[in-house]
Amino acid sequence: GAVVSQHPSRVICKSGTSVKIECRSLDFQATTMFWYRQFPKQSLMLMATSNEGSKATYEQGVEKDKFLINHASLTLSTLTVTSAHPEDSSFYICSAFTGEDTEAFFGQGTRLTVV
Amino acid sequence: RKEVEQDPGPFNVPEGATVAFNCTYSNSASQSFFWYRQDCRKEPKLLMSVYSSGNEDGRFTAQLNRASQYISLLIRDSKLSDSATYLCVVNHQAGTALIFGKGTTLSVSS
Repeated sequence: GAVVSQHPSRVICKSGTSVKIECRSLDFQATTMFWYRQFPKQSLMLMATSNEGSKATYEQGVEKDKFLINHASLTLSTLTVTSAHPEDSSFYICSAFTGEDTEAFFGQGTRLTVV
Repeated sequence: RKEVEQDPGPFNVPEGATVAFNCTYSNSASQSFFWYRQDCRKEPKLLMSVYSSGNEDGRFTAQLNRASQYISLLIRDSKLSDSATYLCVVNHQAGTALIFGKGTTLSVSS
C-alpha cells in the first residue's frame, strides 16, 4: 500500500527554538496533506490542511504564524513549530490520500518534547 | 458537543471475551465511516470501513446506523494482541480530513 514517511520520529528541543517536521509521500503524489496533533489521552485534532503550491488552510484556534506549513512539492509537506514552548509538546502526525480511494495513509508521527 | 463521541473506557476483558464499542457522530452529512486502531505512541491504522449493510472481517464486525448516527464495532474471541485504542472516524467528503473520536481503550488479559 501507499506509504507516508514522517521525520523525525522523536525530537526534544529547548523552549524558544524552532522544529521542522517533514512528511513525504513515498510512492504517490499528494496534492493535499493533513497535519494533526494529539495530546495524551485525546483524539487526533486536525491542525491544518496543506495544499501543494498554495497556502495551507488552518483550523480555528491554530496559529498560522506559529505552525508554518510548506507544501512545495507533490511529495513533501513540512510543519515548522516556531518558538516552541512546553505546551507545544505533543504527538504530531501527517496523513494523505492517494486520491484513488478513501483510505488515508499516516506518517509514523513525531513526538515533540519542548523543555 | 464533539463531532464524534466514544466511551473512552478502558474496557478490561479476558481473552476470548466478546466486546462491543459504540460511537455517535453529530453531522448527518458525514459520508464515510471507519474504525482505526492506534497502539501506544504509534500512528493510527485502518481496521475497517463501516457500511450500513454491516461489515465483517474475521473476528471484527462493524455496523452503521445512519438514522441514529451510530457506529459500532464488535470484537469476538478477544486476543491479547487486540489490546489497543480503537478510534471511531468519520469523513464528510472523500479526500477531506478525517475526524476522529477520542478513542476507546481495550485491554485484553490472559
